[in-house]
Amino acid sequence: AQSVSQHNHHVILSEAASLELGCNYSYGGTVNLFWYVQYPGQHLQLLLKYFSGDPLVKGIKGFEAEFIKSKFSFNLRKPSVQWSDTAEYFCAVNTKAAGNKLTFGGGTRVLVKP
Amino acid sequence: GAGVSQSPSNKVTEKGKDVELRCDPISGHTALYWYRQSLGQGLEFLIYFQGNSAPDKSGLPSDRFSAERTGGSVSTLTIQRTQQEDSAVYLCASSFPSGGGSYEQYFGPGTRLTVT
Repeated sequence: AQSVSQHNHHVILSEAASLELGCNYSYGGTVNLFWYVQYPGQHLQLLLKYFSGDPLVKGIKGFEAEFIKSKFSFNLRKPSVQWSDTAEYFCAVNTKAAGNKLTFGGGTRVLVKP
Repeated sequence: GAGVSQSPSNKVTEKGKDVELRCDPISGHTALYWYRQSLGQGLEFLIYFQGNSAPDKSGLPSDRFSAERTGGSVSTLTIQRTQQEDSAVYLCASSFPSGGGSYEQYFGPGTRLTVT
């Protein structure tokens, strides 16, 4: 069965700082990878996704993620964060073998100080 | 509708009572999913529907949990004889069908269930 781990539970940084959130998955076959974001009081929204092709994926709001197959990683990055990026970020994976269900990491709470 | 809707938004119930949670998926989405978000367990998959059938029920935590979907649209998650550990936010998501899972799942706002 696949699993997902996110290395940081909480991240605090100042506006304009760069952000990188780690995500590793365990599964030996083909995976689809996702980053979802949950802003305070709002529902989960998709930031970006990787199915195939270019391993560097660009999403909404200036976020990007890089799929490194050899490291089973899909880290999320943003060069310069804003206060409005304060949210909880979830990495998720699904596989054809396991059907369509998403397996989520534990989430990372990001607080951006103005 | 514009997005996935869920009702009620909040539900407080006494231990031992049954509850029903409703999900209205995005029109045209034939795949529907239920997840649970709780402090101790994070985001967990519960059940997946393709049309009215549920090919994957592997995440349902006990036989007190059941779900159905009618008309390929609305789904109801029922929890019988609720326990305090059932307290969580129950999320519904929908997507276009895909055997490979390569479609985005759109999430609803969730139902916050509190069992007292």
